[in-house]
Amino acid sequence: NAGVTQTPKFQVLKTGQSMTLQCAQDMNHEYMSWYRQDPGMGLRLIHYSVGAGITDQGEVPNGYNVSRSTTEDFPLRLLSAAPSQTSVYFCASSLTAGGVEQYFGPGTRLTVT
Amino acid sequence: DQQVKQNSPSLSVQEGRISILNCDYTNSMFDYFLWYKKYPAEGPTFLISISSIKDKNEDGRFTVFLNKSAKHLSLHIVPSQPGDSAVYFCAARTTNFGNEKLTFGTGTRLTIIP
Repeated sequence: NAGVTQTPKFQVLKTGQSMTLQCAQDMNHEYMSWYRQDPGMGLRLIHYSVGAGITDQGEVPNGYNVSRSTTEDFPLRLLSAAPSQTSVYFCASSLTAGGVEQYFGPGTRLTVT
Repeated sequence: DQQVKQNSPSLSVQEGRISILNCDYTNSMFDYFLWYKKYPAEGPTFLISISSIKDKNEDGRFTVFLNKSAKHLSLHIVPSQPGDSAVYFCAARTTNFGNEKLTFGTGTRLTIIP
């Protein structure tokens, strides 16, 4: 099993550009989520999904869109990048929505200039 | 409003001694508490958890203690090893009509001195 994979590892965007961060898991997990990590802020939940076709907002959803068309994939879209979205983004999955043990991907470091 | 707080950004401990990482919380609705460990350029990995109805959970060298009256939990690592050097995140779970969410602290960087 590859676990949770994320692409790209690094990305630089200009303000106003859009892009999609990819996340995939091969563990047949129901629950997937996106977090951002900023210095002094810990990990904050952006969006999450309890199964294919179902998504919901987390703590900091503004400026981001998600969709879940398959169990395996959970892409995160930045519609119009802003410098405030400079961060490290982590995708995570767990077997069920109630699972306390989440499996994290290696992260995507995004810089918006 | 930070519901999960780790007040020590860093901690240095001699190899072989005990490492104690602390975490405070404010929300009485948290039902599970967790510790995650993170190495540079990697995602966090789950370490240990404790239910809100327990006061201690042990897994090898790692023990988590929960003091509900003080809204405080701690992670003890005994004995500390060089490979334990990492950032440790405390997290807490809330469950609301089937929607479970984790709230993370800001992390403590543990350095084990050989």
